[in-house]
Formats: sequence, structure tokens, C-alpha cells
Amino acid sequence: AQRVTQPEKLLSVFKGAPVELKCNYSYSGSPELFWYVQYSRQRLQLLLRHISRESIKGFTADLNKGETSFHLKKPFAQEEDSAMYYCALKIVGPGGGADGLTFGKGTHLIIQP
Amino acid sequence: NAGVTQTPKFQVLKTGQSMTLQCAQDMNHNSMYWYRQDPGMGLRLIYYSASEGTTDKGEVPNGYNVSRLNKREFSLRLESAAPSQTSVYFCASSGWTGGETQYFGPGTRLLVL
Repeated sequence: AQRVTQPEKLLSVFKGAPVELKCNYSYSGSPELFWYVQYSRQRLQLLLRHISRESIKGFTADLNKGETSFHLKKPFAQEEDSAMYYCALKIVGPGGGADGLTFGKGTHLIIQP
Repeated sequence: NAGVTQTPKFQVLKTGQSMTLQCAQDMNHNSMYWYRQDPGMGLRLIYYSASEGTTDKGEVPNGYNVSRLNKREFSLRLESAAPSQTSVYFCASSGWTGGETQYFGPGTRLLVL
């Protein structure tokens, strides 16, 4: 069965320091992975997806199939990055159609001034 | 566009009571989803609807029923609420099932006493 693991419930770093939020997955198919973010009192929103190979708000994430990882990185953290971050894996059903997303348990990132 | 809207924002129920959570989207999306978010558990998929007229179980469907009323609306019903169903419920939609971005509603906080 598919699984997404985010080993850190809480990550606290100082402003200006590098940030890495870890995400590992287990999935027998070809993975499609996403990072979602939830700022305080706001709804969950997409941050980035691996197929786009994009950088959003200074964040990047590279899919490493050998290590089954999709870690989220930012070289210099900013206070406004404080939020809950969820790694998510697209699920493909038995018929070949996608069934939705499997989310990790989330990492609460706190950026200290 | 309002995106994804949910009603109510907050609800308190007694054990055994029933209620329906409403969700609507105005983005002409085919696929809609219901998740629950619990502390330390991340988001878990309850039910999803790949297209109008179809619904399928997700990871935690027990105790819930859904109705895809039309392309815009996807409701979640608790027939006999239990304290274990105390949670924050999120509705989401996407252009197609599991594909690309899922857009989330603001959530409904449900407390079952």
C-alpha cells in the first residue's frame, strides 16, 4: 500500500538558516508527488509538484526515486514560511484512474526571528 | 470565483445526531473529495467523486455517506455522529481525479460530544 512519511512533526529554525523538510514515500507505481502548505487560519494550498520542477517562494523539491524521497528545501528561511507543510502522493486506482492523494502527517515549520 | 466553499464553518453535535456537511465549487471541476484532518494524523481521504454520478470510498469511509448532487456540489453525511468523528473536515476539487492541483475549502470544524 502507498504511504507517505514525514518524520518530523515540528521543525524550528532561525530566520536566514537553510530549511529541509523530509518526505519519504512507498509506492509500487510511478510516483507523482506534491507539497501542500497551510498557513495559520488559511486553507490548504498547493506549494509545488515534482512534475513541474518549479521553485515557489524559494522552495524546491527533487524527486529521488532511488531513496524514495521528495524533500522540500529552501536555502534561506523567512518568518513568513512558518506553516504546516504536507507531502502528498497521487494514488492510482486499480482501473488505472487516479483516486486522490495520500498525505503525510505534516511538519509544523517554525521560523524564529 | 469563490473556489471551494463549505458550510457550516463550525458545528457541535451530540452523539447519535445526524448532519450533512455541504461543499460546492465553481471551477467546473470534475473531481471532488472529502478529507478529515486530525492532530498528528495529517489529512485522510474519506470519500471522493471522480465525476458527477460516481462516488468511491477512500481510506476512512466508515460512518460516513456522500452524495454528488451535481457537478458543483458534494455533500458528506454523518448518520449517527460519534465522538471519534470530532475533526476538521476539508472538501477539495480538481479538474480530474488525483491529477494536478487540488483546491481546498476552508474547512468545517465538527465537535461531537
